[in-house]
Amino acid sequence: DSGVTQTPKHLITATGQRVTLRCSPRSGDLSVYWYQQSLDQGLQFLIQYYNGEERAKGNILERFSAQQFPDLHSELNLSSLELGDSALYFCASSTGQWYEQFFGPGTRLTVL
Amino acid sequence: DQQVKQNSPSLSVQEGRISILNCDYTNSMFDYFLWYKKYPAEGPTFLISISSIKDKNEDGRFTVFLNKSAKHLSLQIVPSQPGDSAVYFCAASGAGGTSYGKLTFGQGTILTVHP
Repeated sequence: DSGVTQTPKHLITATGQRVTLRCSPRSGDLSVYWYQQSLDQGLQFLIQYYNGEERAKGNILERFSAQQFPDLHSELNLSSLELGDSALYFCASSTGQWYEQFFGPGTRLTVL
Repeated sequence: DQQVKQNSPSLSVQEGRISILNCDYTNSMFDYFLWYKKYPAEGPTFLISISSIKDKNEDGRFTVFLNKSAKHLSLQIVPSQPGDSAVYFCAASGAGGTSYGKLTFGQGTILTVHP
């Protein structure tokens, strides 16, 4: 157990819909990272927040957005969903050693 | 454009023998390299890292080697144990600025250690 929690574990929705994935980092961790793992792309970095502010951005689609709240939990919003958005979405957190990111168990999103 | 590549999708070894997992990268701006391990239904777990100023780092049974001129790194596990069976991801990052915290992962190698 990494101490990072993600909800929901599974999500099934339809094309065109909007969903919100939630992440609670380990206690004391100020940085939160979001990754997408799809079958053909592997693990792709989406975005990082540090203490409420966006710190780094990867190849995140404009239809996707994220935020980190004052209590440090983070949400990833995915809108106008397409079939290709079906993937595992991981949240990770870190403090101190930035590269030692602790990953949550992931949210499996299926878009039908 | 895959900047970090793990060309072997799978590797099978006998318990007690050495496992060698390989990784190649193309971006010369990468200066920090990491290995993560992933079990089914769990997120990746940090294993070991190496800075570009070193060519070797050891942690117990795990050793990472970096060859900067060849843009190649490898992870050796000695001796291999059945509990090491998992997917291993190589990852890389730049030092600072907008690269801070941004890990670029390889596709992963499935390691199976047979008793």
